[in-house]
Amino acid sequence: TQLLEQSPQFLSIQEGENLTVYCNSSSVFSSLQWYRQEPGEGPVLLVTVVTGGEVKKLKRLTFQFGDARKDSSLHITAAQPGDTGLYLCAGAGMDSSYKLIFGSGTRLLVRP
Amino acid sequence: ETGVTQTPRHLVMGMTNKKSLKCEQHLGHNAMYWYKQSAKKPLELMFVYNFKEQTENNSVPSRFSPECPNSSHLFLHLHTLQPEDSALYLCASNQETSWWQDNEQFFGPGTRLTVL
Repeated sequence: TQLLEQSPQFLSIQEGENLTVYCNSSSVFSSLQWYRQEPGEGPVLLVTVVTGGEVKKLKRLTFQFGDARKDSSLHITAAQPGDTGLYLCAGAGMDSSYKLIFGSGTRLLVRP
Repeated sequence: ETGVTQTPRHLVMGMTNKKSLKCEQHLGHNAMYWYKQSAKKPLELMFVYNFKEQTENNSVPSRFSPECPNSSHLFLHLHTLQPEDSALYLCASNQETSWWQDNEQFFGPGTRLTVL
């Protein structure tokens, strides 16, 4: 069974601080996606990483896919209150790529 | 309406009730998904439909019964549920179940279900 472990589960930081969220597995994924979910809404896709070692930047967010495609990280620089939400990673398996395996999420609170 | 809509947004039901959740996508997609999101647990894939055909039943109890009359609509019929079925039920859609990098799943806002 493929599992994705996210850490930390909860993070409360002050506006302007940097943070990193991790997503780890013992399984190899064909791709990995990061979502943000706000209260009362469904998850919204932020980025998809496909190639081992790939780094993608989305404004203040930097996403990295591990060389072995088993892990990923999300780094936020100078966090803002608008970054508050639940961050989910999801991996697509090598055999059935439409079946996403989700991590349990990191709940981020950025205090003004 | 745009994107993926779900109704109702909130539902409280007793264990003997029968209710249905509705999902509608306005994106021209052909694949639709039901997920269950419980507190502190990963999203669980429940059912997948591709071009109106069910392609996945992820060992979901028979008290949950999906229906996909066309590519734009997806229902989840509920009967004799248990309190542990209380969760956020999310619907999603994408072009089809084949994978390519831009074939992202778009999620609806979910139905918050409470079973008493």
